[in-house]
Parts: sequence; structure tokens; C-alpha cells
Amino acid sequence: QVHLQESGPGLVKPSQTLSLTCTVSGGSISSYDSYWSWIRQQPGKGLEWIGNIYYIGTTSYNPSLKGRVTISVDASKSQFSLSLISVTAADTAVYYCARNTSGRGWFDPWGQGILVTVSS
Amino acid sequence: DIVLTQSPDSLPVSLGERAIIKCKSSQSVLSSSNNKNSLAWFQHKPGQPPKLLIFWASTRESGVPDRFSGSGSGTDFTLTISNLQAEDVAVYYCHQYNTIPPSFGQGTKLDI
Repeated sequence: QVHLQESGPGLVKPSQTLSLTCTVSGGSISSYDSYWSWIRQQPGKGLEWIGNIYYIGTTSYNPSLKGRVTISVDASKSQFSLSLISVTAADTAVYYCARNTSGRGWFDPWGQGILVTVSS
Repeated sequence: DIVLTQSPDSLPVSLGERAIIKCKSSQSVLSSSNNKNSLAWFQHKPGQPPKLLIFWASTRESGVPDRFSGSGSGTDFTLTISNLQAEDVAVYYCHQYNTIPPSFGQGTKLDI
């Protein structure tokens, strides 16, 4: 059973870069039918898809964040990562990593989530 | 982008009663590849990741009690929770995965 776990700093200063990593276990990050996503939930708000990556490096991003987001993958470590530049307080959120599979599309499973606060 | 609008935002209910949550999509989420509605429902409790309840609008995920049911097609969908239990207190989200970017409704908070 695939398990995902987010890791990274819980506090980032404004204007700096938010960097998170998701480690995949119990399954292969190089599975041909799996796409690996980042999703966030800002305080008091709903869920927002940030973007995803396929194991060969193909990415897709939400236009609302495009230009500030980069998602990368390191298949040898079974990890994929999120980088969000020029953060502001509005980027304070719980960040989740999740998988969706082609032919299905919904997100399952999800990581536990990590709270990242943007504050000086 | 597809916008999903849920109603109501908050739903006070009593144990044993039935709750009905609606989700309206700004565009059809019917998949042209398999003629299925690409709509899922999640249950989200504080401190936990969202839990998948329903996919393809009406297919219950394995292990989900049959008190949870989904219906609808095209742009209008419903999640029905029968015989409400205390553990059903959560925020419920609809989610479309038909087009990029995938999107979620704003959530419906169930209060018992």
C-alpha cells in the first residue's frame, strides 16, 4: 500500500523560497500510471491543487501559481519536491502531497500534511 | 477552469438523521473517454488528510459505510449521508478530476 510523507521547514520568511519533499513508500514512484501532486489548504479556505509531476519529469501546474512553482522528482530516492518562490503570508497553508493514477484521476492516497507558516 | 460550488456551507444535523450536500459544477464533468462523471467526494477531519468516500460520482470507496452515497450527472451532484453518526462530523468536499486544473468545492461543514 502506497504511503506518502511530507517533510520540510515549518516556518519560512516572506520573500524566501518554500521547499518541501514528499517521500513515497510501499510502491514505486516510477509506476507508469501514477502522477504525483502537491495540494494545499490555506487557513479557513478550501483545497487548492498546486501541480503534479510524472516520474520522467513531465509537470503540470495550476495557472494561479504558475511562475512561482517548480515540482521536481528524484526517482532514485523515491521523492518528489515542491519549490515555491517569493512567498508571502498568503502562502501559509497545510501542504499535502498525493497521488492520482491515470484512468482514475482522483487523489488517493494523501500524505498527512505539513503546516508551513510564512512569517518573519 | 471548472468551479465547484457546494451548498450549504454549513449543515447542522442530528444523530440518526440524513444529510444532503450538493455540488454544482460550472461545466460538465462527464468524461468523453469513458462516459463517466469525474466527480469525487472527500471527508476531511482536522489534523488528518482528506479521505476518499466516493468516485465516479456514485462509486463508494472500499471500506466506506453504505450510509454514504453519491448521485448526479453532468453538472449537479449530491452526497447523501444517512443515519448520521457522531464520527461523521467533518468537512466534506466535492472534487472534479475531468479537466486540468483539478478543483475542489469550497467545503460543507457538518455539525451534529
